[in-house]
Amino acid sequence: QVQLQQWGAGLLKPSETLSLTCAIYGGSFSGYYWSWIRQPPGRGLEWIGEINHSGRTNYRPSLKSRVTISIDTSKKQFSLKLSSVTAADRAVYYCASLSGSYKPFDYWGQGTLVTVSS
Amino acid sequence: EIVLTQSPDFQFVTPKEKVTITCRASQSTGGSLHWYQQKPDQSPKLLIKYASQSMSGVPSRFSGRGSGTDFTLTINGLEAEDAATYYCHQSGSLPYSFGQGTKLEIK
Repeated sequence: QVQLQQWGAGLLKPSETLSLTCAIYGGSFSGYYWSWIRQPPGRGLEWIGEINHSGRTNYRPSLKSRVTISIDTSKKQFSLKLSSVTAADRAVYYCASLSGSYKPFDYWGQGTLVTVSS
Repeated sequence: EIVLTQSPDFQFVTPKEKVTITCRASQSTGGSLHWYQQKPDQSPKLLIKYASQSMSGVPSRFSGRGSGTDFTLTINGLEAEDAATYYCHQSGSLPYSFGQGTKLEIK
């Protein structure tokens, strides 16, 4: 049973870099893909990108130029950085796991609301 | 990107009603189509994977079916606790995508 616990700054100014981290507890580490997903208030879900245990990443094309997802296998944590944020990046950000290719998101973090305001 | 379109966007429902939500994909998902339930201020919860496989602990009133590009989620005998927003999701090709959501509200 995997548990994901996430944290990071919730209030940013325009042009700053969003930084969130997700810790992985329990379950298998290798073989999984670790994702970030966001949800603007009152709206739907948008996949941002993923990383696997060996550091291979995939990103949403529209965000690729601003996103970096990294992993620290020794700490069993993975992180999201999104640069040059604007008000459009205001959303609840979730970390989530897939247990392999073509799998669903079976475990989710609790979510972090990130607001961008000058 | 595979675009997932759900219908309806919103529905008032009554307890014991049978509710069907549809999800249409712009191209084949290869069967990697999943359904989630999200209640206010909660993370999404996986209900059904691969179109029709119910997750452990999910009430039997929830069922899914479909293949190719057309999928449905059915709640047979809705209960008040099922008031939520439901999302379909495809993991068949990158970038992963979600439907826009269907919000069910108790009448």
